Amino acid sequence: AQKVTQAQTEISVVEKEDVTLDCVYETRDTTYYLFWYKQPPSGELVFLIRRNSFDEQNEISGRYSWNFQKSTSSFNFTITASQVVDSAVYFCALSELAGKLIFGQGTELSVKP
Amino acid sequence: DSGVTQTPKHLITATGQRVTLRCSPRSGDLSVYWYQQSLDQGLQFLIQYYNGEERAKGNILERFSAQQFPDLHSELNLSSLELGDSALYFCASSTTGDSYNEQFFGPGTRLTVL
Repeated sequence: AQKVTQAQTEISVVEKEDVTLDCVYETRDTTYYLFWYKQPPSGELVFLIRRNSFDEQNEISGRYSWNFQKSTSSFNFTITASQVVDSAVYFCALSELAGKLIFGQGTELSVKP
Repeated sequence: DSGVTQTPKHLITATGQRVTLRCSPRSGDLSVYWYQQSLDQGLQFLIQYYNGEERAKGNILERFSAQQFPDLHSELNLSSLELGDSALYFCASSTTGDSYNEQFFGPGTRLTVL
């Protein structure tokens, strides 16, 4: 069965610290897609990144970077020099056939000034 | 702003009642998804439509039903409401509904059943 595990329920850091959010997934498919979404206190879900199973290149977007490792079934997300505006719940998700998203339980990140 | 709209934003109702949640996808998107977010279950997929046809079904209760209309907007109907149905209901849309499409989420409808 497909499953996404975000073992860190809550993380608290001080502004400017780097923080890594872990995501481990299980799937039997050889082709699959992984996503990260951000849910700020306002409640909406904001798409951050998509990664397909054939592309293990790390990706960097500003202060955000993602490390995809098929060997360990992980797709971790790092925020460099965190800011208070990064405070949110972050969800990792795996896409099944037909596009149904399977979400992890989410990691609540609190960045304190 | 994702371009996906949902109405109403908040809904308070009583047990046993029926409600309808509405979603308009982003312009050009043919596929609509419904998800439920609750404290105990997390974010759960309910159902997906593509161009008016049901494409995939999750753990959607029999008391819940949905449809996608010719203009591509979708409605989620929840009936015989129970306290446990209180949750945030999200609609999302994507271009073709395939697994590689990113899904863009609406702001959600917060349902409170008293």
